[in-house]
Amino acid sequence: EIVLTQSPDFQSVTPKEKVTITCRASQNIGTSLNWYQQKPDQSPKLLIKYASQSISGVPSRFSGSGSGTEFTLTINSLEAEDAAAYYCHQSGSLPHTFGQGTKLEIK
Amino acid sequence: EVQLLESGGGLVQPGGSLRLSCAASGFTFSSYAMSWVRQAPGKGLEWVSAISGTGRSTYYGDSVRGRFTISRDNSKDTLYLEMNSLRADDTAIYYCAKIGTEVSATSYWYFDLWGRGTLVTVSS
Repeated sequence: EIVLTQSPDFQSVTPKEKVTITCRASQNIGTSLNWYQQKPDQSPKLLIKYASQSISGVPSRFSGSGSGTEFTLTINSLEAEDAAAYYCHQSGSLPHTFGQGTKLEIK
Repeated sequence: EVQLLESGGGLVQPGGSLRLSCAASGFTFSSYAMSWVRQAPGKGLEWVSAISGTGRSTYYGDSVRGRFTISRDNSKDTLYLEMNSLRADDTAIYYCAKIGTEVSATSYWYFDLWGRGTLVTVSS
């Protein structure tokens, strides 16, 4: 099973700040890496697919990069509504797995 | 409206069984693989199982293989998860999720639509 390790686990940030969340895979998964946002008491929402492909309706301040074993989710100019947990998800190898999550708190 | 609606959760004793359902609407159900993802209280997401659009191929996470069975009825646009030999660590919200591509290769899968979830509590 491929293990995804996200860092940091928690981050407290101010509005307009730039945020970077890292996801490291225990094996090479190419670009089979997706990112989701989950706000409190809501279902997860797709943010980025295939490591870097944007999703219709998702604000352009969200972007992804990386391949192989190291991936990054970047949020430019953070807004208060971005307070949420963020998860990476790999589909490169079965069983598919998720990272442990990164919780963003807005100061 | 494109949506997924889960049902069937509840309180069950350890060792018991439960069947979850997920009713899909607003898209051609049989064209897409589907999946179950769960989230224990206060914890992260865990991939549970997936099934191809035809239902011929099924996949399971290590923690549920041999105890859970995923299936679908394309005539009813409904996904199922049969859960047996339930344990306390199966307690979670169970989400139904749609795969966002019609490509059958699992390495291209991602979840573009999620239901609101149904809570399963395993306790005596």
